[in-house]
Amino acid sequence: AQTVTQSQPEMSVQEAETVTLSCTYDTSESDYYLFWYKQPPSRQMILVIRQEAYKQQNATENRFSVNFQKAAKSFSLKISDSQLGDAAMYFCAYRSSFNNNDMRFGAGTRLTVKP
Amino acid sequence: DAEITQSPRHKITETGRQVTLACHQTWNHNNMFWYRQDLGHGLRLIHYSYGVQDTNKGEVSDGYSVSRSNTEDLPLTLESAASSQTSVYFCASSDHGEQYFGPGTRLTVT
Repeated sequence: AQTVTQSQPEMSVQEAETVTLSCTYDTSESDYYLFWYKQPPSRQMILVIRQEAYKQQNATENRFSVNFQKAAKSFSLKISDSQLGDAAMYFCAYRSSFNNNDMRFGAGTRLTVKP
Repeated sequence: DAEITQSPRHKITETGRQVTLACHQTWNHNNMFWYRQDLGHGLRLIHYSYGVQDTNKGEVSDGYSVSRSNTEDLPLTLESAASSQTSVYFCASSDHGEQYFGPGTRLTVT
């Protein structure tokens, strides 16, 4: 079964600095999707960025970008110019292309942004 | 705007009682999901549905049931609530892409 591992339970960053959150996953499939979700104190799960495994180019959304290393099964999230509003739990998630229900989440990383 | 809503947002119940959590989406998505979120586990899949009259068990389905009588709703029922079911519950829906999540329901079983 696919597993997703986030090895950093907590991270902190100074406002305006850059921080990278780590995620690794285990799968035998060649085609799949990877996601980063943000969960602020409101509990709402907000999609930050997604990456299709067949695309070599790393996804980017404004200040958020990923470093997708397919061979290493690594999917890290880089947040540039960190803002106070970025403080939240961040979850990495894997979803099979063949099985829409098979979405696996990591345990999460709590990001603190210091003013 | 399309959305997905959950009710109630907070619920306290006693052990042994039957509880139903509501989930309603206006995305017109065929696929709907229920997850529970616990510290150290991220989100774990309870049940899912690919369409009306279709329901399937997920990773942690024991003690839970769902029914799908229309496209918009997927209520989650705890037949006999247990303290181990104290958690935050999320409903989600999707078509073929990413899943969209509701705001969550915090359930406490005393």
